[in-house]
This record gives sequence, structure tokens and C-alpha cells, in this order.
Amino acid sequence: GAGVSQSPSNKVTEKGKDVELRCDPISGHTALYWYRQSLGQGLEFLIYFQGNSAPDKSGLPSDRFSAERTGGSVSTLTIQRTQQEDSAVYLCASSVTAFPNEKLFFGSGTQLSVL
Amino acid sequence: GENVEQHPSTLSVQEGDSAVIKCTYSDSASNYFPWYKQELGKGPQLIIDIRSNVGEKKDQRIAVTLNKTAKHFSLHITETQPEDSAVYFCAASYSGGGADGLTFGKGTHLIIQP
Repeated sequence: GAGVSQSPSNKVTEKGKDVELRCDPISGHTALYWYRQSLGQGLEFLIYFQGNSAPDKSGLPSDRFSAERTGGSVSTLTIQRTQQEDSAVYLCASSVTAFPNEKLFFGSGTQLSVL
Repeated sequence: GENVEQHPSTLSVQEGDSAVIKCTYSDSASNYFPWYKQELGKGPQLIIDIRSNVGEKKDQRIAVTLNKTAKHFSLHITETQPEDSAVYFCAASYSGGGADGLTFGKGTHLIIQP
């Protein structure tokens, strides 16, 4: 596609429910990243995939968060038993090759609201 | 780990004036400093970057300067226009770091007053 695509653009859920957020990176990009952006805050790194290597999960805030990337392309970020503090914009980005000194291409994000 | 401080959090300037956003970093090993612009409802977009072997870089109305000794870098926008209104993020990273080696500042909301 022309850019990084994320869905849904908005998600409202009830506390305790599970949610899945989807990211479709730019075709040919080997690296994919998930960030979280809370109101008035910077971009918080969550997880990083590079090719077929094991993902770097060092940024995941708790074991309720997980992500997978199937076939080296589409990625899904799953949040189990959502809490109100999980409310944020979740941004996905991809880059041509390995991090960190690479230009990141971001999607428009998924606005998650946990009631 | 790296810590990036960004100032100011909000900056309002008159159209046509210049805007300057400043960032400091803590890790002397950092060697790559990108700037991203985020418009409302969109993801951040890279607008300019600088590497530690360069002191200044310009691209039309935007420029970035880097002072390695003082560990700070700045974004300069001249002749500001309404479309420059956005949130700007600085970041710092180093070659040996993993994905968490890219650290972002908290952002500056730039408002261009007509």
C-alpha cells in the first residue's frame, strides 16, 4: 500500500475486555514497531519486529500486552483485560531496514478508549 | 538509558516569524537526531534529521543544529506558515541500541497565529 495502515481508527471498549489492533506496514519494509502515545506525552516504545527474528518486547508495560507479526507483514497488538490507563493512541510504524537510525513511517494510529 | 528533554511544550508565534524548539539528551553515545511533525489525527512524519558528524543541516525553511559538547539540538523554522501548526517531536538514538534506543521528547505544540 501507499502507507502504513492501521485499524480500527477508533476503538471504545469496556474495562476488562480484550482488544486487537491491526497494522499493515508498507510493502517491503522489514521492520515494524508499536508505540503508545498518551495525552501530552511523547511516544512510548512497546515492541519491535525485524524480519523473522524474535521480537524485542522490552517496552511492553505488562503481560496483558502482546503482539505478533504473521508472515513478516501484518501485525496485531493485543491488550487483554483492558484497564482505563490503557487509553491512548497506539501507533504503528515501519522502516525499510533495521532500527534505530532509520526513517520511520507511521500510521495514523488507533485511538483506544477504555471506559 | 537515554533521556530526551524538549522545550517548550507549547509555542505560539505570529505567521512569518521564526520558531525554535530545543532538545537536550543525556547519552553521549547518541549519534542520530530526527525530528518528526504530527498533524492532528495523523501519525508523526519525519521532517529532518541530523547525524553526529554534522553540526547543522538545512532543508528550505527548516534547519536543525547540533551541539555535541552540550548535548543539545534545536529545530529552527523560518517564515512560519499556517501549515506549520502541529506537534513536533525530537528524538535521539545510537547505532548500538535496539528499538528502544530511539527515545522521543514529549513534544512541542506549535501554534501559528494569523
